[in-house]
Amino acid sequence: EVQLVESGGVVVQPGGSLRLSCAASGFTFDDYTMHWVRQAPGKGLEWVSLISWDGGSTYYADSVKGRFTISRDNSKNSLYLQMNSLRTEDTALYYCAKAEPSDSSYDYWGQGTLVTVSS
Amino acid sequence: DIQMTQSPSTLSASVGDRVTITCRASQSISSWLAWYQQKPGKAPKLLIYKASSLESGVPSRFSGSGSGTEFTLTISSLQPDDFATYYCQQYNSYSGSTFGGGTKVEIK
Repeated sequence: EVQLVESGGVVVQPGGSLRLSCAASGFTFDDYTMHWVRQAPGKGLEWVSLISWDGGSTYYADSVKGRFTISRDNSKNSLYLQMNSLRTEDTALYYCAKAEPSDSSYDYWGQGTLVTVSS
Repeated sequence: DIQMTQSPSTLSASVGDRVTITCRASQSISSWLAWYQQKPGKAPKLLIYKASSLESGVPSRFSGSGSGTEFTLTISSLQPDDFATYYCQQYNSYSGSTFGGGTKVEIK
């Protein structure tokens, strides 16, 4: 059974840093591109970042470019999101998602981890 | 960047109704479009990929159509379990993705 379990969400002050983790199981992790998607309270879905199967390619939404860094450790079946210079508008539930290999839709999602940026 | 415009933002319907949700892309995305269903407190669930392919395990009352810039999600006969929020997503670009703003399907 495919499982994605996010962790690391906490309350942090504006300007602070945080690292989110996503532990994957039930599939061959290093075969798949992985994504982070976020959802602000009561709002819609926003794509945040993606990383290729080998970590060689990474991409970011303009809203987080230069502040967030996506990475993965295939030996640990884990995905990460390093979040720096956090802003109040980064407050959201952060999901990790596994991309279908043939077309990049997301066939599995985690349950999300809540990041609150507040003073 | 590709923008996705979804309509309507809210839809009131009754059990048994045929429901259609539209998603428009700001430029052609071929058939690289997915539809998701999200219920309160839950992660989104993939319904349709490649514009019209039904994800395994999803009831056949859900269908998708379109290509280029205009897409639709149709629920042929709305069931009580279908009251939720629906999102379209484009993934035409390998360098990222965009979601529509969402359509909340409410009980009339």
